[in-house]
Amino acid sequence: RKEVEQDPGPFNVPEGATVAFNCTYSNSASQSFFWYRQDCRKEPKLLMSVYSSGNEDGRFTAQLNRASQYISLLIRDSKLSDSATYLCVVNEGYQKVTFGTGTKLQVIP
Amino acid sequence: NAGVTQTPKFQVLKTGQSMTLQCAQDMNHNSMYWYRQDPGMGLRLIYYSASEGTTDKGEVPNGYNVSRLNKREFSLRLESAAPSQTSVYFCASSGIPFFGTENQPQHFGDGTRLSIL
Repeated sequence: RKEVEQDPGPFNVPEGATVAFNCTYSNSASQSFFWYRQDCRKEPKLLMSVYSSGNEDGRFTAQLNRASQYISLLIRDSKLSDSATYLCVVNEGYQKVTFGTGTKLQVIP
Repeated sequence: NAGVTQTPKFQVLKTGQSMTLQCAQDMNHNSMYWYRQDPGMGLRLIYYSASEGTTDKGEVPNGYNVSRLNKREFSLRLESAAPSQTSVYFCASSGIPFFGTENQPQHFGDGTRLSIL
């Protein structure tokens, strides 16, 4: 089993739709979690950290489920500009950070 | 606001050639990192420097060396390039070591696309 797994997609959704991505991790002792966004041929950029109680930033909501070892990202009212690859990042501590391979989102007009 | 600057942006090498990828950050960050990104593999850590004067191996260090020249600069060297090192290389920095428990994110440069023939 991979340490961090994401559905590669692509997820093709119409504008205005709500879409959710999950990311599972194998190390139950993982300490912190992030979602990054990466546009085609660009660098990854931090979208949001993921807190234990869940957190929201505008149309984006991130949640952590430690019992089932996954984090999720929910995007409401999808915009064309949301089209990108979303990377899940897990900090396992002990100087080990693992990036998922990403989930590709395509928002369609 | 330059953030993290990488040079060059593109490079083509022949097998066996050497080169150094440069990275500089102007955010007064302590920690710096080098990653490679390959299709279907995600970002993999090559080397990191938790603070000025220290460097440590990441997940895929073989074939690479690094130098933390000062707080701002962290270079990656390929001594004898191999086709397997064809990749996109990203440098990143963070205010405190990303490996701590605090939610301190990394900031990335815009990458170096390296092809080795």
